[in-house]
Amino acid sequence: NAGVTQTPKFQVLKTGQSMTLQCAQDMNHEYMSWYRQDPGMGLRLIHYSVGAGITDQGEVPNGYNVSRSTTEDFPLRLLSAAPSQTSVYFCASSRMEAGEVGELFFGEGSRLTVL
Amino acid sequence: AQSVTQPDIHITVSEGASLELRCNYSYGATPYLFWYVQSPGQGLQLLLKYFSGDTLVQGIKGFEAEFKRSQSSFNLRKPSVHWSDAAEYFCAVGAAGGGADGLTFGKGTHLIIQP
Repeated sequence: NAGVTQTPKFQVLKTGQSMTLQCAQDMNHEYMSWYRQDPGMGLRLIHYSVGAGITDQGEVPNGYNVSRSTTEDFPLRLLSAAPSQTSVYFCASSRMEAGEVGELFFGEGSRLTVL
Repeated sequence: AQSVTQPDIHITVSEGASLELRCNYSYGATPYLFWYVQSPGQGLQLLLKYFSGDTLVQGIKGFEAEFKRSQSSFNLRKPSVHWSDAAEYFCAVGAAGGGADGLTFGKGTHLIIQP
């Protein structure tokens, strides 16, 4: 059982470049989300989705796009990378019961450096 | 909106000593509460969760937490720590009725174990 799989694990970009962080889960979870983790800031929610075709913004969405064409996949796109986007990114998924998000299952993270 | 405070950024404990990590939350309705642990370079793993019922919750690796509504707290405890417990610990709150907003995380407590 793979759980939540993120790729790549490490990436270095130059300012202005674009890239996509991939996230896939094999648990048939309705809910998927992206967090960024910065020193002293904890985890902050970027975008989330409650099912295929449905996405919404979290606390820090600027500079990021997402889509959810299938239940399994939830890619995060950086359109024009900035040094402020240097961070560790985590994808997480969860079952939803009666419209509520439960326990989150996390991927191992993707460390992004923007020069 | 809900919020989580972990007052201690760093805690140092001797191996074999007891541990208590503090977590205070702010939310008007019934919270869902979680403790996650993150080892260096890894994703987050769920230690335990509280949704309802018994306010003393048992988790993995010998951890427990107690929900105290009157104090808006959900402190994590362990009677005797092991060197392998050195990690970053995150408290998180989800809101019953909060729908798909996901979890709000505290900024984390870094646990150091002295031999």
